[in-house]
Amino acid sequence: AQRVTQPEKLLSVFKGAPVELKCNYSYSGSPELFWYVQYSRQRLQLLLRHISRESIKGFTADLNKGETSFHLKKPFAQEEDSAMYYCAPLNSGYALNFGKGTSLLVTP
Amino acid sequence: NAGVTQTPKFRVLKTGQSMTLLCAQDMNHEYMYWYRQDPGMGLRLIHYSVGEGTTAKGEVPDGYNVSRLKKQNFLLGLESAAPSQTSVYFCASSYSKGIGELFFGEGSRLTVL
Repeated sequence: AQRVTQPEKLLSVFKGAPVELKCNYSYSGSPELFWYVQYSRQRLQLLLRHISRESIKGFTADLNKGETSFHLKKPFAQEEDSAMYYCAPLNSGYALNFGKGTSLLVTP
Repeated sequence: NAGVTQTPKFRVLKTGQSMTLLCAQDMNHEYMYWYRQDPGMGLRLIHYSVGEGTTAKGEVPDGYNVSRLKKQNFLLGLESAAPSQTSVYFCASSYSKGIGELFFGEGSRLTVL
């Protein structure tokens, strides 16, 4: 079965510390993978997609096909990074399958 | 440019009542989706549409119906609301599935007593 797992419900780090939000997936083939973010009182929005290999707001995500992981990383967390983060593989149909999300709290 | 607009934003229903959530997008997107968001469960897909006049079931379709009579609108109906349908509902749209960028509405908070 297609499944996406974000093992941490809550991740708390200090400002300036590195942060890694984990995402593991169990999909056949090579799914397209995305990270979405929801800041407080804002709409859910796309953060980055693996296919474009981009860095947005200092975040990067590496697709590891061997480990079937797509962890989101940032070397130096900022307070404004506090938000809910969702890993989302594109399933074999037409829709994104969202993980349960990780709440990131960056404290000063 | 409003993007994706959901109405109503809040609603309280009694068990057994019916209601319809309206999603409207002004970006000429082909694909539209309804998700529900529950604590600890993330977002789960209810129904989606790949074009005007078409709908398909998602992960949790039971108890909901949808219609896409016009390209810009995607309606989510609850015929007989149940407390288990208390949730925050999000509508989203995208130009195509391959790009994967979904544009979300602000959400509609529904409480069923």
